Amino acid sequence: DVKVTQSSRYLVKRTGEKVFLECVQDMDHENMFWYRQDPGLGLRLIYFSYDVKMKEKGDIPEGYSVSREKKERFSLILESASTNQTSMYLCASSFLYEQYFGPGTRLTVT
Amino acid sequence: GENVEQHPSTLSVQEGDSAVIKCTYSDSASNYFPWYKQELGKRPQLIIDIRSNVGEKKDQRIAVTLNKTAKHFSLHITETQPEDSAVYFCAASKENNDMRFGAGTRLTVKP
Repeated sequence: DVKVTQSSRYLVKRTGEKVFLECVQDMDHENMFWYRQDPGLGLRLIYFSYDVKMKEKGDIPEGYSVSREKKERFSLILESASTNQTSMYLCASSFLYEQYFGPGTRLTVT
Repeated sequence: GENVEQHPSTLSVQEGDSAVIKCTYSDSASNYFPWYKQELGKRPQLIIDIRSNVGEKKDQRIAVTLNKTAKHFSLHITETQPEDSAVYFCAASKENNDMRFGAGTRLTVKP
């Protein structure tokens, strides 16, 4: 059974802080993804990675960066958090097509 | 890039009725079309998927149809039950697993 975990379920940060969201999967999946979920906008792809040290921009990469130093871990970084980054962040991993999601991190930036 | 549009955004049906959610996509290279269900406070989970070499797939009360020429696909739920109430997302993906999601449909099944 695939397990995708995220470091926090709820997070409150101040504007301008550097924020790290971590995602870990235990199934040796090659592909990992970061999405943000906002009401009425669905799941929007921020960044994805096909392999260690490899990253690709999604549709809304501005204000975010990522790091994949190990196959099982994919980190999303908000260099300087802003209030418009308040959202639910979902990580996912996949081997072929099906994506397995983590429980999500609800980030509030005040 | 791929653009997926999903309709309706909300859908309310009586228990036992059918529900249909429709999606269109823009990139003809997309070849994998999953549907995810997200219950309140939970993570999205795959409920059914279809590949471009198949026109229809059924799994008990849920079915998905795909029209590659028109670039649209639909989710059909028959004999709806209150536990079908959730947000449903369609998605389209190419070989490289570069997946794009629709905006979601909130389905409410009234007992």
